[in-house]
Amino acid sequence: IAGITQAPTSQILAAGRRMTLRCTQDMRHNAMYWYRQDLGLGLRLIHYSNTAGTTGKGEVPDGYSVSRANTDDFPLTLASAVPSQTSVYFCASSDTGVPDTQYFGPGTRLTVL
Amino acid sequence: AQSVTQPDIHITVSEGASLELRCNYSYGATPYLFWYVQSPGQGLQLLLKYFSGDTLVQGIKGFEAEFKRSQSSFNLRKPSVHWSDAAEYFCAVGVPGAQKLVFGQGTRLTINP
Repeated sequence: IAGITQAPTSQILAAGRRMTLRCTQDMRHNAMYWYRQDLGLGLRLIHYSNTAGTTGKGEVPDGYSVSRANTDDFPLTLASAVPSQTSVYFCASSDTGVPDTQYFGPGTRLTVL
Repeated sequence: AQSVTQPDIHITVSEGASLELRCNYSYGATPYLFWYVQSPGQGLQLLLKYFSGDTLVQGIKGFEAEFKRSQSSFNLRKPSVHWSDAAEYFCAVGVPGAQKLVFGQGTRLTINP
């Protein structure tokens, strides 16, 4: 069982470009999440989805969009990347949301120049 | 809104010594409380969690944490650390009925041989 996979592992992107970070889980979890991790700030929630077909905004949603067309996939899109979006992005999933355990992917390191 | 504070950004201990990582939260009632560990270049892994009941919680890898309502704290402890415990540790709070976790800034643990 792979758990959660994220792609790409890392990416360098020019400012203004569009980028989609991919996240796939094979645990049939209902809830999925996107976090960004920045030094000294811990993890901050960008967007979440309680179940397929629904999404919600987290703490820092501006500049990001998500979709949840099916249970397994939860892509995160940066429509027009800016340098402040340089970060490590983690996707996570849980069976039914808080307080269930969240399982994390290995992360995507994104650099926007 | 709930918040989490980890007062120590970086802690260094010798191998075999005891460890305590501090976590304080701000929330009006009893939240759900979590400790996660992140090894270098990896995603986060759950160490333990507290929902209710016994205030001393046992986790994986020999870790335990104690919930103290009077101090709004959920400190993580280990009697004797191993070199493999070197990692970043995150405390997180989940609010009943909400669909997100709020993470602390993290504490980086270094182990001296």
